Amino acid sequence: DAKTTQPNSMESNEEEPVHLPCNHSTISGTDYIHWYRQLPSQGPEYVIHGLTSNVNNRMASLAIAEDRKSSTLILHRATLRDAAVYYCILRDENTNAGKSTFGDGTTLTVKP
Amino acid sequence: DTAVSQTPKYLVTQMGNDKSIKCEQNLGHDTMYWYKQDSKKFLKIMFSYNNKELIINETVPNRFSPKSPDKAHLNLHINSLELGDSAVYFCASSYYDRATGELFFGEGSRLTVL
Repeated sequence: DAKTTQPNSMESNEEEPVHLPCNHSTISGTDYIHWYRQLPSQGPEYVIHGLTSNVNNRMASLAIAEDRKSSTLILHRATLRDAAVYYCILRDENTNAGKSTFGDGTTLTVKP
Repeated sequence: DTAVSQTPKYLVTQMGNDKSIKCEQNLGHDTMYWYKQDSKKFLKIMFSYNNKELIINETVPNRFSPKSPDKAHLNLHINSLELGDSAVYFCASSYYDRATGELFFGEGSRLTVL
């Protein structure tokens, strides 16, 4: 799997938007971009995924650069419950769903 | 109802012992996984089963033996436990859909080897 690079940590104030970046300069044409998050003492949970176009769901938005070498997870209004480690991973369309290593991730702190 | 459940949640044991962790999913998925998360928070896949057949077996010591009695269950047995086995073990499940398959994780089983 291609490698991703994320900042180790970010801080946000409650009810403000948060932009979590991810670099994946070696992404291939068949790699999907996935985001998961891990709340304290819980297992990771799926957030969103995309291939080329920007994506929105009830949890977040995913903005994908035109050259696909980077992406940004957007939380529109951060809440205290959004404090977690956010993982950006790439998954090749020919790879089994679970064969992905989660990297360092970004630890998001949300301040009241 | 818990979608992916693991037992036990905590396990403290001595070096050299044998222990098992059980996992069950009620999502109707056909693929189940075991991941290991070490103290540095890296989450790495260990095994994957699709319809009871082993499809992923990463470089894991053969002291670790997964068993899938049916597609809703995937258990992990560890022989001769070592200090380095201390970690949080996560079970996950999904449909065997490739790049778009969403993974559902259990809450983890924290294993401490003394």
